[in-house]
Amino acid sequence: EVQLVESGGGLVQPGGSLRLSCAASGFTVSSNYMSWVRQAPGKGLEWVSILFSSGAAYYADSVKGRFTISRDNSKNTLYLQMNSLRAEDTAVYYCARWYYYDSSGRGFDYWGQGTLVTVSS
Amino acid sequence: SFELTQPPSVSVSPGQTARITCSGDALPKQYAYWYQQKPGQAPVLVIYKDTERPSGIPERFSGSSSGTTVTLTISGVQAEDEADYYCQSADSSGSYVFGSGTKVTVL
Repeated sequence: EVQLVESGGGLVQPGGSLRLSCAASGFTVSSNYMSWVRQAPGKGLEWVSILFSSGAAYYADSVKGRFTISRDNSKNTLYLQMNSLRAEDTAVYYCARWYYYDSSGRGFDYWGQGTLVTVSS
Repeated sequence: SFELTQPPSVSVSPGQTARITCSGDALPKQYAYWYQQKPGQAPVLVIYKDTERPSGIPERFSGSSSGTTVTLTISGVQAEDEADYYCQSADSSGSYVFGSGTKVTVL
């Protein structure tokens, strides 16, 4: 059974840092495209970052230069290092798998339950 | 990056058909995907590559595409279909975008 479990959220002051983790089971993180998507309270979904199986990483303009996506193959875990946090980064952060098969994307097919990050003094 | 535009809300009576549109200049060149999100839950993929339905998604959910607009159609709407729906696409430069979301209310 495929499962994604996020952790690491919490309350952090503006300018602070936080590292989110997403532990995967049922598939291999390094062989897939893995992404972070966030949702501010009462707002819509916002794509944050993606890590391709090749190691290439991409970021939304709103987090570029502040957030870093990475993975630990031995732990089958995806990470999001968040630095220089701002109030507008407050959101539930989901990790999700972008299913890439037969040379085309099949969508974000598996999602975690999300972890809440609150940036406030 | 690019933008996807959705109506904020759609209301429909049980058993009727709901149509949710998503517009964007990139859509003639890029596939669209649709997600359903109920309160307090993670999103669920309901349509991929404009018209394909993942296994386990009811047949009443269908997708179509015409020019710069894609449409999610829910035929024979049920009370359990009340949720927020988001379209999403991706460009060749590694940028992924979600629409602003449409709240479907079952009257």
